[in-house]
Amino acid sequence: GQNIDQPTEMTATEGAIVQINCTYQTSGFNGLFWYQQHAGEAPTFLSYNVLDGLEEKGRFSSFLSRSKGYSYLLLKELQMKDSASYLCAVRALITGTASKLTFGTGTRLQVTL
Amino acid sequence: DSGVTQTPKHLITATGQRVTLRCSPRSGDLSVYWYQQSLDQGLQFLIQYYNGEERAKGNILERFSAQQFPDLHSELNLSSLELGDSALYFCASSEGTGAQPQHFGDGTRLSIL
Repeated sequence: GQNIDQPTEMTATEGAIVQINCTYQTSGFNGLFWYQQHAGEAPTFLSYNVLDGLEEKGRFSSFLSRSKGYSYLLLKELQMKDSASYLCAVRALITGTASKLTFGTGTRLQVTL
Repeated sequence: DSGVTQTPKHLITATGQRVTLRCSPRSGDLSVYWYQQSLDQGLQFLIQYYNGEERAKGNILERFSAQQFPDLHSELNLSSLELGDSALYFCASSEGTGAQPQHFGDGTRLSIL
C-alpha cells in the first residue's frame, strides 16, 4: 500500500517563504506531483519530480529525495492568493503499463498580513 | 480553465437513487480518471480509463461503475446511493498513462438527502 504524510495546517506571512513537507512510503514509485486546491475548486497542477533534486518554476520550487521518501514544496514571496490546500501525490506503477496516483490529505496554508 | 468539463455541477438526490456524472476530457487526452473527495478525506482515486479501456482501479465500490466512450468522454454511475456518498466527484484527464500531469475538471458536488 501507500502512505503519504503532510502537515495538516500551516500559517505564514505575506512576502515570506514557506516550506511544505511530504513524506511517503510506496512500492513502485514513479514520480511525485504537487497540486494546489482552493476550497471547493479543482486541484491545479504545480510541479512534478521523478528524479532527485530541485525543480524550480517561478515562485514555486519542489524537491525530491527518493532514498528518504521525502519531498517539499517551497513557496517564495507569499501572496494572499496562495492561501489554499497543497496536495502531495505519489505515482506508483501497478503493472507494466498502469499506474495509480495517491493523494495526501493536503496541507492547508493560511497566508496572513 | 483546465479544458476538462464535468456535468452537472451540483446534484441533489435521495438515498437509494442512481445518478450519472459526465466528463469530457481535454482535447487530445486519452486517459480519464475519477476521484471522490469527502470533507474528512483527501482525494480518493476511483478508476482510470485509457482510450476506452479500464486501466487501473482504486477504492471504487461495487455500487459504482464507469465507462469511457469512443469519443473519449466518460460517465461515472453511482447506484443505491447512501448518505456517505455525498462528496465532490472530480474527473481528470491526461495525455497518456505516463508521467503527464492530470488536469482536473471543476467537479460535481453530490448531496444525498
